[in-house]
This record gives sequence, C-alpha cells and structure tokens, in this order.
Amino acid sequence: DTEVTQTPKHLVMGMTNKKSLKCEQHMGHRAMYWYKQKAKKPPELMFVYSYEKLSINESVPSRFSPECPNSSLLNLHLHALQPEDSALYLCASSQDDRRINYGYTFGSGTRLTVV
Amino acid sequence: AQSVTQLGSHVSVSEGALVLLRCNYSSSVPPYLFWYVQYPNQGLQLLLKYTSAATLVKGINGFEAEFKKSETSFHLTKPSAHMSDAAEYFCAVSDDQTGANNLFFGTGTRLTVIP
Repeated sequence: DTEVTQTPKHLVMGMTNKKSLKCEQHMGHRAMYWYKQKAKKPPELMFVYSYEKLSINESVPSRFSPECPNSSLLNLHLHALQPEDSALYLCASSQDDRRINYGYTFGSGTRLTVV
Repeated sequence: AQSVTQLGSHVSVSEGALVLLRCNYSSSVPPYLFWYVQYPNQGLQLLLKYTSAATLVKGINGFEAEFKKSETSFHLTKPSAHMSDAAEYFCAVSDDQTGANNLFFGTGTRLTVIP
C-alpha cells in the first residue's frame, strides 16, 4: 500500500457545525502532515506530527484541532469555521520528519466549503 | 532560509513540443529539491527529487530535471508534451538543517498543452 487516503473527498459545513477530516496511511511512515491549499496557491503547512506527537503548529487558529490516535491515522477536527477557511485540505506522510530526502506522499485532499 | 521561485505562473506548449518549467532555489546549505504535479481536484504527486546524488534526475511520465548549483536552478523538462501533462506543477525545497523539516513550495506553474 503506497497511498495516503483522505475522507471525505468533499465536505460542506455550516459555521456552527463540528466535523472531522480523516487521513490514513499504511506505509509505516512516522511523520504526518496537514496542509491547507487555497485556489491557485501552493500548499501551506498547518501541522506536523512526528511519532504521534505534535511537533509543528504553524500558528493555526484553535478552530482547527489535529489528532493523531496512532501511527497510521491523522484527524483534523473542525469547529466554528469561517467561510475563508474553505479550501483543499491535504494530508501527507513521510518516513519520519528528518528523512525529508525520501519526499512526501500526499493524499488527494478534502475539498471543504464553509457556508 | 530556503525558498524557491518558479518563473512563469502559466506556460503553454503545443502537443509534441518541449516542456520547460523553471525553478530557482535559495538555500544556505545543500538542498533537497522536488517537483510535484497536481491535477485538478487532486492531491500532489511526486514527479522527481534531487537528494545530492546524480545531478540529472529522471522522474515519472518522461520528466527529468537537472540540478545546476552554479545557477541555483532545478528546471523541469520533457522532450514531447502530451495532452495529459496539463496540470499545475510545484517546485519545492528542503534540507537537513531545518530540524523537524518542512517543504517550501514555489507558487506553481500551470501547464497548458495545445492540441
């Protein structure tokens, strides 16, 4: 298995809703990442988990709450989002957060629309 | 700090013509360099990577890139464009010095292939 699987592929939520994005990989990677990508822009790093511990939080608002229950699974909990949070949310994984020379494997993303 | 600059936000080529997408990097230490491709509503797929081995790197789908230290460049080429190559292409840089590392993406180049 050489894939990163993200669910759901599309999500529409209201500003008072609570929802979660899910990311799963079975490649034995020990670093997992959340990126946010706005239209026609490059991905922007949000969070890094290394060996199931949060190692980087790029000053992301608290309405985004990451969780790494085990080495294969990464969640992003969403609450009280704003319309400007609408974007493509990408999950990625790598062997670990120091062996960057192996590259990242990205999922296909969740297209989030906040109404 | 590392960064990459992609010259040309849009590139159009005729089917069968040479593809050249430009990327220049800035890094105070030997970099790792990557090219990713993103098809509409998809995640990012690794095309190729430079990790200080051979300076000419061959990737998937007939793409290759050459690391030129003297020019701080890592341009992406393909001898003959196919319609299926139409996508967004991102150059990215990282290195071993950043600790819990991160990929720094360029702003992307949209490739259009004209029949």
